[in-house]
Amino acid sequence: AQTVTQSQPEMSVQEAETVTLSCTYDTSENNYYLFWYKQPPSRQMILVIRQEAYKQQNATENRFSVNFQKAAKSFSLKISDSQLGDTAMYFCAFMFFGNEKLTFGTGTRLTIIP
Amino acid sequence: ETGVTQSPTHLIKTRGQQVTLRCSSQSGHNTVSWYQQALGQGPQFIFQYYREEENGRGNFPPRFSGLQFPNYSSELNVNALELDDSALYLCASTRRGGNTEAFFGQGTRLTVV
Repeated sequence: AQTVTQSQPEMSVQEAETVTLSCTYDTSENNYYLFWYKQPPSRQMILVIRQEAYKQQNATENRFSVNFQKAAKSFSLKISDSQLGDTAMYFCAFMFFGNEKLTFGTGTRLTIIP
Repeated sequence: ETGVTQSPTHLIKTRGQQVTLRCSSQSGHNTVSWYQQALGQGPQFIFQYYREEENGRGNFPPRFSGLQFPNYSSELNVNALELDDSALYLCASTRRGGNTEAFFGQGTRLTVV
């Protein structure tokens, strides 16, 4: 079974700085997706960014980018020019191709300091 | 906000009781998954419904059951509630064969006393 590990329970950074959240995963499969989800105090999970495992190019979405290292099974999230609204829990998640089941990590609580 | 709505938003039940949680899916989505998120933890997959049938189940006992209706909305039922069932229950809808993006509701906070 696949597992997702987030080794940073909490992080904090000054507004406008860059922060990187770590995630590692374990699977014997080749075809899968990786995601970063944000969960603010409102509790609703919001998709931040998605990476298809077959793509070598790292995904980017505005201030958010990933460093996907397939051989190392590593999937980190970089947030540039951090904003107060980025304060939230961030979850790394894994999904096999053709299966909508998500496996989540334990999350990283990110606080942006004014 | 997504088009996925869950009801109720909060609920308090007594140990041994039964509870039903409801979820409406995003327009155009045909698959609904349920997750349990204990305090300070990541969501854990309970089960998934597609075409009104259970289509995958996580490590949860049979007292966790569900339904999916023709309009793709869904219910999660939990019988014989235990204190450890206290958690945030999240519903996510996706479109089978689509782009895999899951849209989540805001969850139901269940407290068992």
